Amino acid sequence: GAVVSQHPSWVICKSGTSVKIECRSLDFQATTMFWYRQFPKQSLMLMATSNEGSKATYEQGVEKDKFLINHASLTLSTLTVTSAHPEDSSFYICSASSPVEQPQHFGDGTRLSIL
Amino acid sequence: SQQGEEDPQALSIQEGENATMNCSYKTSINNLQWYRQNSGRGLVHLILIRSNEREKHSGRLRVTLDTSKKSSSLLITASRAADTASYFCASGEAGNNRKLIWGLGTSLAVNP
Repeated sequence: GAVVSQHPSWVICKSGTSVKIECRSLDFQATTMFWYRQFPKQSLMLMATSNEGSKATYEQGVEKDKFLINHASLTLSTLTVTSAHPEDSSFYICSASSPVEQPQHFGDGTRLSIL
Repeated sequence: SQQGEEDPQALSIQEGENATMNCSYKTSINNLQWYRQNSGRGLVHLILIRSNEREKHSGRLRVTLDTSKKSSSLLITASRAADTASYFCASGEAGNNRKLIWGLGTSLAVNP
């Protein structure tokens, strides 16, 4: 159980494009979802915490107008990287946790490459 | 966010040997969790130990927690080549049950 699906797994696009990444909890209700960014050989950097039906809480230094997060249902959160530039290229990972369980369940990540 | 520390940063061992990774954290915690990440993939939750527990086992995994030293260790016994991955600890802060503070990770290579 506790499967999280993240889509797409790989995106290559031109500078200035907006890219949407979806994160779905397939078999449980995720009241909270997290969006992370990870650089090569480094740890996870939390970007924002998303609670269903409310505005996301962004970490210091993360531009909310650049990284739009929507968590409209208990099974879906989306991250949109608006007007992406090469410096936005990274590995983005989502995770979800249920109201009861503490562990976070992770998607397989999205590798974003901006040309 | 404030990150925890892990050591070693990298560990290379032979199959069959045990691997020990250590993690330190800075704040009061509700629990401490260990995750595994294969290259280019998401993370997989391995084990959670609560702040009132001192040791926990799951298969070949053994986790200890010393709240007085604000440290935890993960022991993988009888390692296999398939255990090759990065391992991260993450602490769940007291009073904040959702957000995790992540360690920097240990890269484990198990050689056949």
